[in-house]
Amino acid sequence: GNSVTQMEGPVTLSEEAFLTINCTYTATGYPSLFWYVQYPGEGLQLLLKATKADDKGSNKGFEATYRKETTSFHLEKGSVQVSDSAVYFCALGGSEKLVFGKGTKLTVNP
Amino acid sequence: DTAVSQTPKYLVTQMGNDKSIKCEQNLGHDTMYWYKQDSKKFLKIMFSYNNKELIINETVPNRFSPKSPDKAHLNLHINSLELGDSAVYFCASSEGSDRGGYYGYTFGSGTRLTVV
Repeated sequence: GNSVTQMEGPVTLSEEAFLTINCTYTATGYPSLFWYVQYPGEGLQLLLKATKADDKGSNKGFEATYRKETTSFHLEKGSVQVSDSAVYFCALGGSEKLVFGKGTKLTVNP
Repeated sequence: DTAVSQTPKYLVTQMGNDKSIKCEQNLGHDTMYWYKQDSKKFLKIMFSYNNKELIINETVPNRFSPKSPDKAHLNLHINSLELGDSAVYFCASSEGSDRGGYYGYTFGSGTRLTVV
């Protein structure tokens, strides 16, 4: 079945540092890939998505590219802010239900 | 306009009680879900309804019973609450007429259930 593996946290960075959160997947067919973000005390919000190979999703300075050859969808941001502190979830959606990674907690210090 | 709304946001109750959580979506989506998030933030799907029909029923104690009066509403009733039921419960909805995740899900803000 489909599965998602994302890097374990927590991740702690200083403001303006570069962020990478790794995500790899196993899937049959041609799934869509997503990053969701959960700010403290809130629900999950869609951050970005990509629906086919080589697509790049981007939002709020975050980017991720759907790499079929490496089955990856790594999340990157060039300069993080304190307000980016949250839990980030990689997810895969195909013919079956949406499958989530275990989440990576990011803390950005001033 | 809130796309997926859940009530209540917080619920504190004693062991053995019965409680319900309500969810409504105004997106016109066909499919709705209940997820449980534990203290480690792990998300586990519990149920899914497509246009009032149950299509996903994961291994969940039968004390949990979903009810969908129409495709815009999915409620979760929990009988005989136990300490281990303490968690955050999220409702979500998606487009599409099957259980597929191609379109992604829209989540509510969650209900934090604490059983004492």
